[in-house]
Amino acid sequence: AQSVTQLDSQVPVFEEAPVELRCNYSSSVSVYLFWYVQYPNQGLQLLLKYLSGSTLVKGINGFEAEFNKSQTSFHLRKPSVHISDTAEYFCAVSDPSSGTYKYIFGTGTRLKVLA
Amino acid sequence: DSGVTQTPKHLITATGQRVTLRCSPRSGDLSVYWYQQSLDQGLQFLIQYYNGEERAKGNILERFSAQQFPDLHSELNLSSLELGDSALYFCASSADRMNTEAFFGQGTRLTVV
Repeated sequence: AQSVTQLDSQVPVFEEAPVELRCNYSSSVSVYLFWYVQYPNQGLQLLLKYLSGSTLVKGINGFEAEFNKSQTSFHLRKPSVHISDTAEYFCAVSDPSSGTYKYIFGTGTRLKVLA
Repeated sequence: DSGVTQTPKHLITATGQRVTLRCSPRSGDLSVYWYQQSLDQGLQFLIQYYNGEERAKGNILERFSAQQFPDLHSELNLSSLELGDSALYFCASSADRMNTEAFFGQGTRLTVV
């Protein structure tokens, strides 16, 4: 069964600094990969997704992620963060060959942007 | 606004009771997924419906059930509630069967006292 590992539970970073949030998934079979953001007391909002094609995926709010099949990783990056990026970030994987298309989520990374 | 509506936003109930959570997917979306978010277990998939039919089950307790109606809204029924059922319950909808983009509602926060 698929699983997702987000090694960093919390990442503090100063405003305007770059950030990378790490995500590894368990299987090298064909997968769909997603990053979602959750602001306090809100639902999950899609930042970006990888379905196929180019391994560098650009999303909203200046975020991007790179799909690395050999390392089974899908790390999220932003070159310069803002205070408003403070939120919880979830990586998710879906296995299109499973027939269910459910998302398996990581445990989340809490990004804290410091002034 | 994702277009997915969940009601109620908050629910406080006693142990042993039964509650119903409601989800209205985005207009035209046929797939509905239910997830539970708790501090100890994170975001867990519960159940999926597609055009009125159950398609997949995840870690859903036997005390929980769901259905999707002809107008595509879905309800999650939780019965014989226990303290450990306190969590945020999310509904998500997707336009395509392969769930290439899921839109999440704002969730229902259930507190069992």
